[in-house]
Amino acid sequence: KAGVTQTPRYLIKTRGQQVTLSCSPISGHRSVSWYQQTPGQGLQFLFEYFSETQRNKGNFPGRFSGRQFSNSRSEMNVSTLELGDSALYLCASSSQGIDIQYFGAGTRLSVL
Amino acid sequence: GIQVEQSPPDLILQEGANSTLRCNFSDSVNNLQWFHQNPWGQLINLFYIPSGTKQNGRLSATTVATERYSLLYISSSQTTDSGVYFCAVRGGQGGSEKLVFGKGTKLTVNP
Repeated sequence: KAGVTQTPRYLIKTRGQQVTLSCSPISGHRSVSWYQQTPGQGLQFLFEYFSETQRNKGNFPGRFSGRQFSNSRSEMNVSTLELGDSALYLCASSSQGIDIQYFGAGTRLSVL
Repeated sequence: GIQVEQSPPDLILQEGANSTLRCNFSDSVNNLQWFHQNPWGQLINLFYIPSGTKQNGRLSATTVATERYSLLYISSSQTTDSGVYFCAVRGGQGGSEKLVFGKGTKLTVNP
């Protein structure tokens, strides 16, 4: 079974731009969660989707948004990028009823 | 919300040594997981252990839910064990809360 796939792996953007990151969960997993990891703040929860519905949301500004498609693939979007958005963005999937999180390799975003 | 504290923040070992990492949490949980993050950033799930004891090779974990802590034991450490170890917990009714991560323990195993 293929693992969680995140694309792209690396991204360089400039302030003010927007970015879209993609996450394909493990086949059969319907829950997808997104996390931001920075040296200063550690791993912080962004949002969680289950069957195309946002189930939980972290304490991030509205510039951070996400969605989930009917095939469980998920995207997150960050608009009006700021320098502080530079981070490793991690996606995790889990199956219904067994809440074990399986992580992708992450997307490393650099904002210049 | 639930708070997670991990100790020690840093740990340096010689190859072959044993170690114990601790995770304290502030409220009752229905999900506790240990992860290892390798130097390339990949998070690998080690244990799903909301209570009880589990073992997987040289690694084992124990969670005492009533006392709100979990321990991860690494025996006969190897250089490949280096990285950051995270504890993550979820509370709430039916796991309704978000998964909260501790700040991690950075382990360095020297040859």
